[in-house]
Amino acid sequence: EVQLLESGGGLVQPGGSLRLSCAVSGFSFSSYAMNWVRQGPGKGLEWVSSISGIGGSTYYADSVKGRFTISRDNSKNMVFLQMNNLRGEDTAVYYCAKGPRIAASGNWFDPWGQGTLVTVSS
Amino acid sequence: DTVLTQSPGTLSLSPGERATLSCRASQSVSSTYLAWYQQKPGQAPRLLIYGASSRATGIPDRFSGSGSGTDFTLTISSLEPEDFAVYFCQQYGSSPYTFGQGTKLELK
Repeated sequence: EVQLLESGGGLVQPGGSLRLSCAVSGFSFSSYAMNWVRQGPGKGLEWVSSISGIGGSTYYADSVKGRFTISRDNSKNMVFLQMNNLRGEDTAVYYCAKGPRIAASGNWFDPWGQGTLVTVSS
Repeated sequence: DTVLTQSPGTLSLSPGERATLSCRASQSVSSTYLAWYQQKPGQAPRLLIYGASSRATGIPDRFSGSGSGTDFTLTISSLEPEDFAVYFCQQYGSSPYTFGQGTKLELK
């Protein structure tokens, strides 16, 4: 069974940093792209970032480019999202999700983890 | 960016009825790279449809997707009680990969 478990969320002040982690099991991790998608309180879904199976290709939404960095450790079956210079509008539940192929582009997301809440507030 | 507009915003129906949800894109979606997700309160989204019309693993055949170009439809042929939820479409043909704002399917 494929399982994804996010951690690392919490309350952080504007301008602060946070590192999210997603632990994965149940499939050949390095063969699949991984993604982060967020959902603001009472809002819709926003794609944040994607990384290829080997980690050589990464993509970001314009809203986080230059502030967030996606990475993965294939030896530990984990994917990360380093978030710097956080803003109030980054407040959301952050989900990690598996892509259907090794390439980071052109992916739907399945399955998703249960999410971790990030709150940016003073 | 490709903007996806879903309609209606809320759909009120009864079990056994047919539900038709629409997703319209601001520009043509490459290669029918369009997915549909279901989200229930407090849960993560679940993939229903990818490639505009392919059902994901384990999804009942009462769910079907159709469309191409800029107009896509999710149809639920006969609503079950567990189908009342919010539904999102997503295009993954061009970055940024955007989602529609959602259609809430509520019990009438």
